[in-house]
Amino acid sequence: GDSVTQMEGPVTLSEEAFLTINCTYTATGYPSLFWYVQYPGEGLQLLLKATKADDKGSNKGFEATYRKETTSFHLEKGSVQVSDSAVYFCALRTWGAYKYIFGTGTRLKVLA
Amino acid sequence: DVKVTQSSRYLVKRTGEKVFLECVQDMDHENMFWYRQDPGLGLRLIYFSYDVKMKEKGDIPEGYSVSREKKERFSLILESASTNQTSMYLCASSPGLGRDQPQHFGDGTRLSIL
Repeated sequence: GDSVTQMEGPVTLSEEAFLTINCTYTATGYPSLFWYVQYPGEGLQLLLKATKADDKGSNKGFEATYRKETTSFHLEKGSVQVSDSAVYFCALRTWGAYKYIFGTGTRLKVLA
Repeated sequence: DVKVTQSSRYLVKRTGEKVFLECVQDMDHENMFWYRQDPGLGLRLIYFSYDVKMKEKGDIPEGYSVSREKKERFSLILESASTNQTSMYLCASSPGLGRDQPQHFGDGTRLSIL
């Protein structure tokens, strides 16, 4: 079945450091890919998405590129802030499917 | 903006009680979902619904049931609460079957079963 694999956390960085959170997927169809963020005590919010190969999703300084050849959708940010501390989830959905497939989440902690 | 509202942020119940968690969305979405979130396990799908009165089991439906009498409302029912159902419960909605449509989540209900 379809699946999403994220790097294990927690990831701890200093403010202004470069962030990469790895995400790879397996899918029988042609999925759309999503990154969600969950701040403490809240639900998940959509951070960015990409719907076809080589698309780049971006939002709030975060970016991720849909790489079909490597089945990856890694999340990057050039300079993290303390306020970016949260849990990040990678997810996919294929055409005609009701369900979304989520990774287990990666906790990011940014230190001042 | 899509709003998904869960009726309680925190709830404490006793073992054996029947527990209702309510979720309402205001964007006329066809699909609604219930997940539970536990440390180290990510999100696990309990049930989802793709239309009024329609429901499908997710990955962990045991001990739960759902009700969708109106399009905007999706209820999760714990028939006889047990301590292993202590968890964060998240409701979500999405429009149709378009693969590029994201889910929209509520703020979650943290449920403790004593």
